[in-house]
Amino acid sequence: NAGVTQTPKFQVLKTGQSMTLQCAQDMNHNSMYWYRQDPGMGLRLIYYSASEGTTDKGEVPNGYNVSRLNKREFSLRLESAAPSQTSVYFCASSEARQGGYGYTFGSGTRLTVV
Amino acid sequence: EDKVVQSPLSLVVHEGDTVTLNCSYEVTNFRSLLWYKQEKKAPTFLFMLTSSGIEKKSGRLSSILDKKELFSILNITATQTGDSAVYLCAVLPGANSGYALNFGKGTSLLVTP
Repeated sequence: NAGVTQTPKFQVLKTGQSMTLQCAQDMNHNSMYWYRQDPGMGLRLIYYSASEGTTDKGEVPNGYNVSRLNKREFSLRLESAAPSQTSVYFCASSEARQGGYGYTFGSGTRLTVV
Repeated sequence: EDKVVQSPLSLVVHEGDTVTLNCSYEVTNFRSLLWYKQEKKAPTFLFMLTSSGIEKKSGRLSSILDKKELFSILNITATQTGDSAVYLCAVLPGANSGYALNFGKGTSLLVTP
């Protein structure tokens, strides 16, 4: 099925550990995004990639790095996890020409840092 | 600084009631406003509004945008328990922001039998 695939779905990390969240889309979308969602906070933008080869910071980039490996894949890396990074992470992609209608979310990664 | 503010933050109603959810925004480069429904998983798309005064409707849900007063409302009539969810409002800016959606905090709606 076409869409956005995120892995893993669940992860528990110890403080200071590192990990990479993977995201891949098969809709040939130009733009990809990483959001985090905390209770009562809506979705906050961490990083985005408007097109292959470019990345930009969003609202809450501290503690994260990203890589736009190719047009399909956009990964999010936590170099040294902290309890404040416990959250649900959503990857999304969009086709810029379609604006909002082209926006597709992955199913999310629930990350707990202990 | 761009802002999207939703109200109320939470709401409890009885089945059959009508509810109105509010979303106001301040953005430097507005393109569209979107509504999503979220039920313990990824948000699902409801409406996209670009022009003022044109109501979008889908079954018991409807939404309208006022670009002069910078707000939108989402109406749900004859609510059902299946409408219980968090409703998210998001503003889509222009290309210089990579078309990244700017979300409000959401309204948590609980519909009781």
